[in-house]
Amino acid sequence: SAVISQKPSRDICQRGTSLTIQCQVDSQVTMMFWYRQQPGQSLTLIATANQGSEATYESGFVIDKFPISRPNLTFSTLTVSNMSPEDSSIYLCSVDLPGGTEAFFGQGTRLTVV
Amino acid sequence: AQSVTQLDSHVSVSEGTPVLLRCNYSSSYSPSLFWYVQHPNKGLQLLLKYTSAATLVKGINGFEAEFKKSETSFHLTKPSAHMSDAAEYFCVVSGRNYGQNFVFGPGTRLSVLP
Repeated sequence: SAVISQKPSRDICQRGTSLTIQCQVDSQVTMMFWYRQQPGQSLTLIATANQGSEATYESGFVIDKFPISRPNLTFSTLTVSNMSPEDSSIYLCSVDLPGGTEAFFGQGTRLTVV
Repeated sequence: AQSVTQLDSHVSVSEGTPVLLRCNYSSSYSPSLFWYVQHPNKGLQLLLKYTSAATLVKGINGFEAEFKKSETSFHLTKPSAHMSDAAEYFCVVSGRNYGQNFVFGPGTRLSVLP
């Protein structure tokens, strides 16, 4: 299994500012995934972060708005840039393990933009 | 391409009565299927998973699900609901290969009445 730690667990931010969310995994993984869960909604994949290459973004998400870093095999960050109230969501980090079959999720970061 | 449909956005049952949460999937190849539960202000927890072994899968807390390829379904059941089962439930489909992202259904909110 994998244990994922996300920081911060929650934050309230002013519009126009940026927030960086950190994700730490207790084992080495090639791919890490970032999801967004808007209020009352399901999870939507933002991007896949590969170590050593640029992240791959899903339709509707762009690097300028959600820059991602992946400096090593156990860590990644997601930045929510130039925030607006529409960015208020829970952001989750996820991994799956080689040979494994389930995804592991962090506790999420609950972001409120005012 | 993969997709998941959860036929009911909200299910309400009385404590002690059976639970049925419906899920249909679409996948261009043999999928892995999962049910995750999300309690209010909590992280995602894996209930059970299907990965090509037995079609009837038993999970935690008395839940089980049956994979029916002919019906492209993976419905979640529990013989007797408990108050603590009230939560949001997500059906998830994934490819079998490592690193393929998990596609979430829209979720079903389960309410358990005393």
